[in-house]
Amino acid sequence: AQSVTQPDIHITVSEGASLELRCNYSYGATPYLFWYVQSPGQGLQLLLKYFSGDTLVQGIKGFEAEFKRSQSSFNLRKPSVHWSDAAEYFCAVGAPTLTGNQFYFGTGTSLTVIP
Amino acid sequence: NAGVTQTPKFQVLKTGQSMTLQCAQDMNHEYMSWYRQDPGMGLRLIHYSVGAGITDQGEVPNGYNVSRSTTEDFPLRLLSAAPSQTSVYFCASSYRDREDVYNSPLHFGNGTRLTVT
Repeated sequence: AQSVTQPDIHITVSEGASLELRCNYSYGATPYLFWYVQSPGQGLQLLLKYFSGDTLVQGIKGFEAEFKRSQSSFNLRKPSVHWSDAAEYFCAVGAPTLTGNQFYFGTGTSLTVIP
Repeated sequence: NAGVTQTPKFQVLKTGQSMTLQCAQDMNHEYMSWYRQDPGMGLRLIHYSVGAGITDQGEVPNGYNVSRSTTEDFPLRLLSAAPSQTSVYFCASSYRDREDVYNSPLHFGNGTRLTVT
């Protein structure tokens, strides 16, 4: 069965420091992978996506993620964190099925940025 | 272009009451879905639809009904509210391309916060 694991429930980083959020997935075929960000009281916004090709993908707000098939991982990175990056981050897998697409989400990682 | 619109933003129900959460999108997306978000559990799929007249169950469908009479609208009905349905509900839609490859990202509404007492 498809699943997504985000091992870190909460991460705290200093402003200007680098960031890496971990995501591991379980899926039998080539996955469609996504990272979303959720600000308080808001819906989820797409940061970036991976379907095929270059395993390093660039997203909005200076984020990037690297797909590593051998490790079943899709970790999100940012070289220098800004206070406005404080939010909840969700990794997701898109899993085409016979009856329709389904997306499987991780439980999220809450990011706190300290000045 | 409003995207995905959910109403209401907040709702308080008593146990046993029924209500409908509204969701509308103006992007002509074929795929629409409902999720609930609970602390420590991420987002869980309730129901989804791949087009008008077609719906299917997700991971946690019990206690909820949906219908899809138009491409734009996908309401979620709570038949008899229970405290366990206290949650934040998100509607999301996506585009399905011509090759039936479901690789388009989801577009989310801003959510409905529901409390059942």
